[in-house]
Amino acid sequence: GENVEQHPSTLSVQEGDSAVIKCTYSDSASNYFPWYKQELGKRPQLIIDIRSNVGEKKDQRIAVTLNKTAKHFSLHITETQPEDSAVYFCAAQGSELSFGAGTTVTVRA
Amino acid sequence: GAGVSQTPSNKVTEKGKYVELRCDPISGHTALYWYRQSLGQGPEFLIYFQGTGAADDSGLPNDRFFAVRPEGSVSTLKIQRTERGDSAVYLCASSLRGQGYDTGELFFGEGSRLTVL
Repeated sequence: GENVEQHPSTLSVQEGDSAVIKCTYSDSASNYFPWYKQELGKRPQLIIDIRSNVGEKKDQRIAVTLNKTAKHFSLHITETQPEDSAVYFCAAQGSELSFGAGTTVTVRA
Repeated sequence: GAGVSQTPSNKVTEKGKYVELRCDPISGHTALYWYRQSLGQGPEFLIYFQGTGAADDSGLPNDRFFAVRPEGSVSTLKIQRTERGDSAVYLCASSLRGQGYDTGELFFGEGSRLTVL
């Protein structure tokens, strides 16, 4: 099955700086790559996704890039704000949607 | 309801007991998923339903775990002879996914926290 690795496990940034989270996947047939945000004690919620026919997608302060050849994809958050503090999960769909272990992002005011 | 509803929100049971966890998906969502999330980990896929049938149950860890969705809406995850290692948050999600398509956005419930003593 699909194996998704995510780095770093924790990330602390100053408010206003950028945050980058990187993921790799194992199944070359995977074609859908969403990112979920989970605030403490709450359910995961989709923040952005990208499909394999696209290399980059942007939505306001959030962008995702995909390199199918290298089998890795990344989340970029610019101009971070305290409300960006949460756990972020990448995921890749092979036969089913498999999640990374998560990155705990802390934005320091 | 407006979102995915899961009950109970918390369940404490003793080792060896049987438990049932219920999920009520968003109305009209044909796809339903069960995931398990341990502390500090990402959601781990268990099973996916398309309508009433289990389209993929490859994530169920062993035969103590079983899930049903008899009418294509509400689903129940059943765990027999619970073990301490089963303790986790069990997340249900639903989506508008059609057969052969990617999942699209998963809408998660709040989860059922299972503690096996």
